[in-house]
Amino acid sequence: DAGVIQSPRHEVTEMGQEVTLRCKPISGHNSLFWYRQTMMRGLELLIYFNNNVPIDDSGMPEDRFSAKMPNASFSTLKIQPSEPRDSAVYFCASSLARQGGPGANVLTFGAGSRLTVL
Amino acid sequence: AQTVTQSQPEMSVQEAETVTLSCTYDTSENNYYLFWYKQPPSRQMILVIRQEAYKQQNATENRFSVNFQKAAKSFSLKISDSQLGDTAMYFCASTFTQGGSEKLVFGKGTKLTVNP
Repeated sequence: DAGVIQSPRHEVTEMGQEVTLRCKPISGHNSLFWYRQTMMRGLELLIYFNNNVPIDDSGMPEDRFSAKMPNASFSTLKIQPSEPRDSAVYFCASSLARQGGPGANVLTFGAGSRLTVL
Repeated sequence: AQTVTQSQPEMSVQEAETVTLSCTYDTSENNYYLFWYKQPPSRQMILVIRQEAYKQQNATENRFSVNFQKAAKSFSLKISDSQLGDTAMYFCASTFTQGGSEKLVFGKGTKLTVNP
């Protein structure tokens, strides 16, 4: 398995531009997570999906952020319009969550997308 | 509140020595999982060790072991015989169940430097 695949690895854009980050989870995994990592705030959970359905988006900072998971093999995180304070590393992770109780939610992370907004 | 606290922003240790990283968490759940992840300069997040809360026995993985104190909600990581390749950020994390689904919440991390 190629693991969790994120693109792009690096993105530099100007303030006000739209940014789309992409993620392909591990085949067979049913949960997908988007995290943002900054020096100041560490790893923050933005949103997570279970069986393609958004479960908790309380971590999404503003309406400028949106995430979709149209099918089990693809998710996007979009920022429109982008601002300098959105500069961070964005991680996608996936896992196989077992039904019927606490699953050993072992996340496999992608390599991250480093976003710089000028 | 679903919080994970790592009180040591930075630590250093000499090669071949032992170091312990601290972590506390806040949960009202009885069944949950705890993790330590490592993030080297490559920024890849790598699972180091996992503990199931209903198990009394502390998890071990080669040179890595944990001291899990459920009543105190403490989950420290011990690295024995430290190696230069252990230099990395270490994140403690706990699962929290919400609406029948789980999410993983991370602490802010401890930067560990292993000195030759």
